[in-house]
Amino acid sequence: GEDVEQSLFLSVREGDSSVINCTYTDSSSTYLYWYKQEPGAGLQLLTYIFSNMDMKQDQRLTVLLNKKDKHLSLRIADTQTGDSAIYFCAESRGGSQGNLIFGKGTKLSVKP
Amino acid sequence: EAQVTQNPRYLITVTGKKLTVTCSQNMNHEYMSWYRQDPGLGLRQIYYSMNVEVTDKGDVPEGYKVSRKEKRNFPLILESPSPNQTSLYFCASSLAKNQPQHFGDGTRLSIL
Repeated sequence: GEDVEQSLFLSVREGDSSVINCTYTDSSSTYLYWYKQEPGAGLQLLTYIFSNMDMKQDQRLTVLLNKKDKHLSLRIADTQTGDSAIYFCAESRGGSQGNLIFGKGTKLSVKP
Repeated sequence: EAQVTQNPRYLITVTGKKLTVTCSQNMNHEYMSWYRQDPGLGLRQIYYSMNVEVTDKGDVPEGYKVSRKEKRNFPLILESPSPNQTSLYFCASSLAKNQPQHFGDGTRLSIL
């Protein structure tokens, strides 16, 4: 199938690290993405990783990609209350359509 | 500032009254796309466009039309809206197919 799977909820304490996991299905995906959606807001492209990379670090964000297991993770270091949002994992579909296949989103709650 | 702009942000209307949601991007992107976001179903692609005058159906195109007369604009047209089209709509654009997509802030449509 074409499902992108991620857990629905994650709760952490301020200052801890958050790890959001995702599994995808299309091995031909060129890029894999993490989007952030705050309440009432649009989708913000948080970071992305090219499929031939294993890891990408961008300030507090670390993306790990395991192509063999089709597993993607997003680690947020020193999580802040402003990081509370829904995080979507997405893969780019191969072929001519070029659309993104999204997971259902992981709601991250950061407790002070 | 590079952005994707959608209008209106919110609209409440009645069944059968034609409406258009506009989308404009200022990044000279070739690829543009419309998604709808529904609880429990995530984001699904409605239509996409590879370039001017080139449009094609996504995964859920029924009840929608699009046009791409200019590179920057990609309006979504609901000729005869029905209540099952009540949803949150996002326009997105990217340099080309399978490149990272940037999203607008969303349009919340309610069809009564």
